[in-house]
Amino acid sequence: DAGITQSPRHKVTETGTPVTLRCHQTENHRYMYWYRQDPGHGLRLIHYSYGVKDTDKGEVSDGYSVSRSKTEDFLLTLESATSSQTSVYFCAINRAASNYGYTFGSGTRLTVV
Amino acid sequence: DAKTTQPNSMESNEEEPVHLPCNHSTISGTDYIHWYRQLPSQGPEYVIHGLTSNVNNRMASLAIAEDRKSSTLILHRATLRDAAVYYCILIDQGAQKLVFGQGTRLTINP
Repeated sequence: DAGITQSPRHKVTETGTPVTLRCHQTENHRYMYWYRQDPGHGLRLIHYSYGVKDTDKGEVSDGYSVSRSKTEDFLLTLESATSSQTSVYFCAINRAASNYGYTFGSGTRLTVV
Repeated sequence: DAKTTQPNSMESNEEEPVHLPCNHSTISGTDYIHWYRQLPSQGPEYVIHGLTSNVNNRMASLAIAEDRKSSTLILHRATLRDAAVYYCILIDQGAQKLVFGQGTRLTINP
C-alpha cells in the first residue's frame, strides 16, 4: 500500500521484554517517522529520521530507541516494554519537503501485558 | 509548531457538500497547510495541501483565506466512506514533521 509496510501488524508481549517494530519503504524517501496513537491523546511523534543513521527525538521519545542503517528500514525498539506503551504505532514517510504529502503505514497494534 | 483550531465534530448528509474549517491565526509565511484524514482502524491518509492559493485534487478542495489565518477543506459530495477524523496541520518548511491536533470527527448520515 503506497510503498510502506509495517511489521508485525499485531503483537502481544510481556512487561520487561524487548520489542522491535519495523517500518519498510520502497519509495526511497529521505524522512521516516514513528508515531503512537492512544485514546484521548491523538497521534504523537516518537522519533524521526532524516537520513541513514540520522535520527532525532519527538515529543514522546522516553522508553524508545530507533535505528536506520539503510534508507528503506526504520526500526523502533522498546528496550523493556511497559504497559504504558500499549498503543497503536504508525510509521510515516516523506520526500523531505513540506510541499509533499506524508504517507502512513497501516499501523502495528502492540499490547504489553 | 504553529497551532490549529478545529471543531471537535461535524455532521453532514450523504451526497451533500461538506466544509471543514480550520483556524491558524499564528501561521507564518513559510508554513504549508496540510489536511489528513483517518478512517476507523486505519492510518492517516493525505488529503490535500497548499501554501497560498486554493487547491483542488480528486479527493477535495482547499480554500485558503487571503490572510492565511484560516482554511476550509471542501468535500464536494460526501459519501459514507468520508466519515473520518480530519486533521488540519501546519508544516514549517524547516521542521519537516507533522504535529497532530485533535482533528474534527466527521459523521455522514445516509
